[in-house]
Amino acid sequence: QSALTQPASVSGSPGQSISISCTGSSSDVGSYALVSWYQQDPGKAPRLIIYEGNKRPSGVSYRFSGSKSGETASLTITGLQAEDEADYYCCSYAGGNTWIFGGGTKLTVL
Amino acid sequence: QVQLVQSGVEVKKYGASVKVSCKASGYTFSGYGISWVRQAPGQGLEWMGWISGNNDKTKYGQKFQGRVTMTSDTSTNTAYMELRSLRYDDTAMYYCARAWTTVDHWGQGTLVTVSS
Repeated sequence: QSALTQPASVSGSPGQSISISCTGSSSDVGSYALVSWYQQDPGKAPRLIIYEGNKRPSGVSYRFSGSKSGETASLTITGLQAEDEADYYCCSYAGGNTWIFGGGTKLTVL
Repeated sequence: QVQLVQSGVEVKKYGASVKVSCKASGYTFSGYGISWVRQAPGQGLEWMGWISGNNDKTKYGQKFQGRVTMTSDTSTNTAYMELRSLRYDDTAMYYCARAWTTVDHWGQGTLVTVSS
């Protein structure tokens, strides 16, 4: 099973909005409203920022939001801040207690 | 609060086995599964498999079938991941994470290095 497809990198200036796409298939993203997103700083474990497509865990900024259309999910960050610079990964439930991750996207804040 | 604490750094020879532990606290261990995810240096996250909270079901990624065994001990709230016949490309950070419909809380990671 191939990884979900994400852009390798995105960039934006402080205050701007950016979106990161995550394309899967009818077996994963297209079948389940169970896409999650993670933020990973260098040398750290991933941190959950969006789950079940569009829900934010306690403590995660409202500037992070998720959506889905068909087989593509998206993470949007509004009001970009320097501290948002990190790697971002999507993940989808794929049925039968299996999950699949995206290849990751490096966000650069210019 | 939910915490997952993993065992320390491992350095193994090519062909050997490694067993990583993950001790959970702050929630009902039997109510959630544990997923194992690895990350090779400079690479992305790779899902390896899942074990149920009461140790009665497992699901392994195709890539790891036959080489990995996941177990858990509900008396100590600890999950284990054993990987056998280690290859150089198994060098990676290995994470455990609580899993229900979502993989949410993560351990700090265990670095496994395979050397000659």
